[in-house]
Amino acid sequence: NAGVTQTPKFQVLKTGQSMTLQCAQDMNHNSMYWYRQDPGMGLRLIYYSASEGTTDKGEVPNGYNVSRLNKREFSLRLESAAPSQTSVYFCASSEVLSGINQPQHFGDGTRLSIL
Amino acid sequence: AQSVTQLGSHVSVSEGALVLLRCNYSSSVPPYLFWYVQYPNQGLQLLLKYTSAATLVKGINGFEAEFKKSETSFHLTKPSAHMSDAAEYFCAVSGFGNEKLTFGTGTRLTIIP
Repeated sequence: NAGVTQTPKFQVLKTGQSMTLQCAQDMNHNSMYWYRQDPGMGLRLIYYSASEGTTDKGEVPNGYNVSRLNKREFSLRLESAAPSQTSVYFCASSEVLSGINQPQHFGDGTRLSIL
Repeated sequence: AQSVTQLGSHVSVSEGALVLLRCNYSSSVPPYLFWYVQYPNQGLQLLLKYTSAATLVKGINGFEAEFKKSETSFHLTKPSAHMSDAAEYFCAVSGFGNEKLTFGTGTRLTIIP
């Protein structure tokens, strides 16, 4: 009954440090997503992966890289963290059934602060 | 291209009163529409979805929404607010053949005892 699992839940970094946010889903979904949530701005798509081995940029990809390691896992990497990347990061997954977009399932988020 | 506008970043209603959260969308293809709820320090949970079947959609916790193509709206309602409804609500749209979601900026609902 895990759904989408994100690690870590909290992290504090110094400017210039790097880190990788991990995401795994156990629902056998093809599509996975990374969003950031900032006050008053809703959720904005950073990157997404429509299937294993493919990734595409979303609305705010600068400063981030992603890896779709396999069907279950989709990681987000900050190579050189900046204070502007302080945010809450959400991973999600979804599928298409009978040609209809199914709802995305979300993890509990990673709260990242960059000093 | 698709977008969502949520009118009112903050809405306050008295316990037992009608809840109305507004969402207008634009989409160049037939839309799929979703309402999600976020409780403090949690992820997003699906409230309800519109996928071109019935225009009146019922969701969890007594919420419902009506798809009105002529008004490009998908407003969320609940007849009687409960204290446990206090949360942030997000409207989102995706289009036929494209799973990516575009979110509105959210509406924070406060329930007054």
